[in-house]
Amino acid sequence: GENVEQHPSTLSVQEGDSAVIKCTYSDSASNYFPWYKQELGKGPQLIIDIRSNVGEKKDQRIAVTLNKTAKHFSLHITETQPEDSAVYFCAAQDYQLIWGAGTKLIIKP
Amino acid sequence: NAGVTQTPKFRVLKTGQSMTLLCAQDMNHEYMYWYRQDPGMGLRLIHYSVGEGTTAKGEVPDGYNVSRLKKQNFLLGLESAAPSQTSVYFCASRGTNPQPQHFGDGTRLSIL
Repeated sequence: GENVEQHPSTLSVQEGDSAVIKCTYSDSASNYFPWYKQELGKGPQLIIDIRSNVGEKKDQRIAVTLNKTAKHFSLHITETQPEDSAVYFCAAQDYQLIWGAGTKLIIKP
Repeated sequence: NAGVTQTPKFRVLKTGQSMTLLCAQDMNHEYMYWYRQDPGMGLRLIHYSVGEGTTAKGEVPDGYNVSRLKKQNFLLGLESAAPSQTSVYFCASRGTNPQPQHFGDGTRLSIL
């Protein structure tokens, strides 16, 4: 079955710098890759997603890239702000959504 | 526009007690899911449903039962609660493939 690995588990960056979170997946049939943000005490919220026929997608300060050949996808956050502090999850879907273990992003003032 | 609503938000049970967690969605979604999230960890799928009247096991189904009698509701039951079931439970729903899952804010369950 599908397996999703996410790195790093914790990422600390200076406010204003960029943050990159990376995920790899094992099932070449996976065709949908969402990223979720989870704030303390809340459920995960979708921040961006990408489908397998697209290599990159941007939404303001957030971008996701997908390399199907290497089976990895990454989340890029530019000009980080204090409100970006949260846990971020990647996931990969074929017929079922398989989740990464999460990355705790800490934005230092 | 409520989205996914979970009730209750908090609950404390004693070992051996039973309870039902309710999830309701108002987006006419076919698919619904129950996850548990333990401290510092990711989401683990308990059970899911691909439509009214259907249910299927996820990664960690033991000790839980589910029912989807109405399209908008997905119930998670604990017949005999155990301390190992202390966790935060999240419900999610989504439309047909491939669509993102929409989550509720969770039920925090403690079993003493």
